[in-house]
This record gives sequence, structure tokens and C-alpha cells, in this order.
Amino acid sequence: EMQLVESGGGLVQPGGSLRLSCAASGFTFRDYSMNWVRQAPGKGLEWVASMSYDSKYIYYPDSVRGRFTTSRDNAKNSLYLQMDSLRADDTAVYYCTKSLAADRDCFDPWGRGTLVIVSS
Amino acid sequence: EIVLTQSPATLSLSPGERAALSCRASQSVSTYLAWYQQKPGQAPRLLIYDASNRATGVPARFSGSGSGTDFTLTISSLEPEDFAIYYCQQRSNWPRTFGQGTKLEIK
Repeated sequence: EMQLVESGGGLVQPGGSLRLSCAASGFTFRDYSMNWVRQAPGKGLEWVASMSYDSKYIYYPDSVRGRFTTSRDNAKNSLYLQMDSLRADDTAVYYCTKSLAADRDCFDPWGRGTLVIVSS
Repeated sequence: EIVLTQSPATLSLSPGERAALSCRASQSVSTYLAWYQQKPGQAPRLLIYDASNRATGVPARFSGSGSGTDFTLTISSLEPEDFAIYYCQQRSNWPRTFGQGTKLEIK
């Protein structure tokens, strides 16, 4: 069974940093693009980052570009999200997701998420 | 950025009824559209990809249709477990974008 488990969330002050991790199992991690999607409390879904299987291609929306950095370690079956210069509007549950297939950039499965709260 | 507009915002129906949820894109996304279901306190779940393909394990009562800018998720006969929030998402262009969601509630 494919499984994604996020960790590293918590309370951080505005301007601070946090690093999220995602541990993958049940599939060949090195073969798939991986992604981060977030959901602010009571709000909809927002795509945050995507990284190709070989780390060659990385994409971000304007809302986080220059502040967030995603990376992966295929030897450890792990995905990471380094979040710097955090703002109150970054408060959300952050989900790690796998791309459905090499040429199908939709998200399946999803982890349970980790909550990031940016507040003083 | 491609904007996805879902309608209605809330749909009130009874078990056994047919549901039709709409997603309209601000420009063509071909058939690169997916649908997700999210229940309270849970992560989203992929239902439909590439407009009309059911994901693994998704019941046959869920179907997707459309291309270009207009898409529909249809649930043929609602089961109690289908009442949830549904999101569409496009993978045609960067940034990837989601619709704002349709809440399907019990009437």
C-alpha cells in the first residue's frame, strides 16, 4: 500500500523558518514526481511545489517562489519542503502528494498532512 | 494562471439522487482535469483524472466528462458517504490550480 507521512509542522513566528519532511513507502519513490499542496483552515486547496523524479525540474507558484524550496533524497525515499520568511498567510495543513504517473501530474495518493501555524 | 470556477458552491441533495458538479476553466485545459473528494478531517482523494478516467478503487457511480473549458463530475446515485467537498484541478499549465470547491450536503 502506498503511504506518505508528513512531519515537521508546528508553531513558528512570522519571518521564521520550518522544514517539512515526507516519508514515502509502498512504491518506487525514485520513479515519480512529488508535490506539496496546502490548505489554509476552512479554505480550499493550493498547490505549493512540484519536483520531478530526478530533481531536474522544480516548479512553484508565485506565492511561495523565493521563500520555499523543495528537495528530495531518493535513497531515503523522502521529500522535503524548506520554508523561509514565513508569513501568517502560510498557515495551513501541508500535504505531500505523489504524481499519479510520469506524464500525469495529478495527485495520488496524499499524506494526512502536517499543520503549520505562523503566529507571534 | 488558469482559474477554475466550480458551481454550485453548495449542492443539497438526498441519497439516491443524481448529482452534477460543474468546473469551468478560464482557458482551455484540453482534458487535463482531475476531480478530488475531501471529507472532514481527511486528506483529499483522487476520483477522476484526465477528465473521464476513474482512479483505482473509485466506484462506478462516479463519472467525469468534458473537454476544453467545461467539465462535469456526475454521481449517478448518491450514497451517504458521498457527501463531501469536491475540487477540480488542472494540469495543463503552471501553476497548477484548483477550483474553490463544491460542498455536497444532505438535503
